[in-house]
Amino acid sequence: EPEVTQTPSHQVTQMGQEVILRCVPISNHLYFYWYRQILGQKVEFLVSFYNNEISEKSEIFDDQFSVERPDGSNFTLKIRSTKLEDSAMYFCASSPGPEQFFGPGTRLTVL
Amino acid sequence: DAKTTQPPSMDCAEGRAANLPCNHSTISGNEYVYWYRQIHSQGPQYIIHGLKNNETNEMASLIITEDRKSSTLILPHATLRDTAVYYCIVRVGVVRGSRLTFGEGTQLTVNP
Repeated sequence: EPEVTQTPSHQVTQMGQEVILRCVPISNHLYFYWYRQILGQKVEFLVSFYNNEISEKSEIFDDQFSVERPDGSNFTLKIRSTKLEDSAMYFCASSPGPEQFFGPGTRLTVL
Repeated sequence: DAKTTQPPSMDCAEGRAANLPCNHSTISGNEYVYWYRQIHSQGPQYIIHGLKNNETNEMASLIITEDRKSSTLILPHATLRDTAVYYCIVRVGVVRGSRLTFGEGTQLTVNP
């Protein structure tokens, strides 16, 4: 069964550094999403993406965040200058329709 | 999106049916009920969704009351692997590309 994959599984970075989190959505899906979950807190929506454009973004998704689909398979989330409070699990999801399918997540630790 | 209310935790014996309730008394006519679950910090997993009719798939059944103000997710034969946080989410229509808003959910613990 096709799955959403994410790399790396764990990323450790220094505060102020840029990180890129990578996702490979399910191949015939057209809608892509990023969510995050700070330890012990709820899953929070960041952004959705369709047809090479952002469809919707939350108030969390400020100028330090960007998303890109650089080729036909990858979907990336870039955080330009990481802060301590960016430490979280980041989940990518894709959907063919209303239901969303999530990847296993990338644990980002900012030191 | 309508607000949902779920019990914070529930227990169930392995092999028995797990019935997870959700109240969504302010649901409007074009809002669907979705259920997801999250097993110990893994990515959330889609389970089922419905508008007003009962729905069943290979994972679960969804029972929506006639007034649509509440619903129940039924796992017919719970296993230890069903231990997870279960989220009931009410969402407008079948809009693609729109966010899921996760609440606190119900921590279901399946006991041997």
